Amino acid sequence: GNSVTQMEGPVTLSEEAFLTINCTYTATGYPSLFWYVQYPGEGLQLLLKATKADDKGSNKGFEATYRKETTSFHLEKGSVQVSDSAVYFCALENTGNQFYFGTGTSLTVIP
Amino acid sequence: DSGVTQTPKHLITATGQRVTLRCSPRSGDLSVYWYQQSLDQGLQFLIQYYNGEERAKGNILERFSAQQFPDLHSELNLSSLELGDSALYFCASSSRTGGSGNTIYFGEGSWLTVV
Repeated sequence: GNSVTQMEGPVTLSEEAFLTINCTYTATGYPSLFWYVQYPGEGLQLLLKATKADDKGSNKGFEATYRKETTSFHLEKGSVQVSDSAVYFCALENTGNQFYFGTGTSLTVIP
Repeated sequence: DSGVTQTPKHLITATGQRVTLRCSPRSGDLSVYWYQQSLDQGLQFLIQYYNGEERAKGNILERFSAQQFPDLHSELNLSSLELGDSALYFCASSSRTGGSGNTIYFGEGSWLTVV
């Protein structure tokens, strides 16, 4: 079956710290992988995506690389800001266009 | 603004009642997805429609039903409500079916509180 497992939160970091949120997946076939972000009181919005192995998605200083050999898609950012405080969801899309989301990781960045 | 519109934004109702949540997808999007987000179960996929037809079904209870109309808007009907149905219900839409890298766009959600 298809599933996504991501790092349990909450995560609290100081401003300018390095961020890693781990995500691993199980899928049949060749899924696309996504990171979505949910700011307080809002819906989820696409942060970045990768559609095939070894692709790197990037946006707003965040990066994630599609690693087929380790079935992972870890989210990283070199220097977080207070405005990055949000809940981050890892997701996969299977070939039937069905999306499976992880449980979300809450990030709080303190000044 | 994602272009996906959900109404109502907030709803409080009593146990045993029935409610309808409405979603208007982004202009031109044929696929609509419904998700339930609760504190203890995270984001759960309920159901997907494509151009009026049910495409996939997830963890949707028998007390819940959905449909997508010819104008592509969708409704999620929740009946015989229980306290545990209190959650944030999201609608999402996308333009494609098939292929890969299909981005879905979320509405802001409908907060349902059952008392």
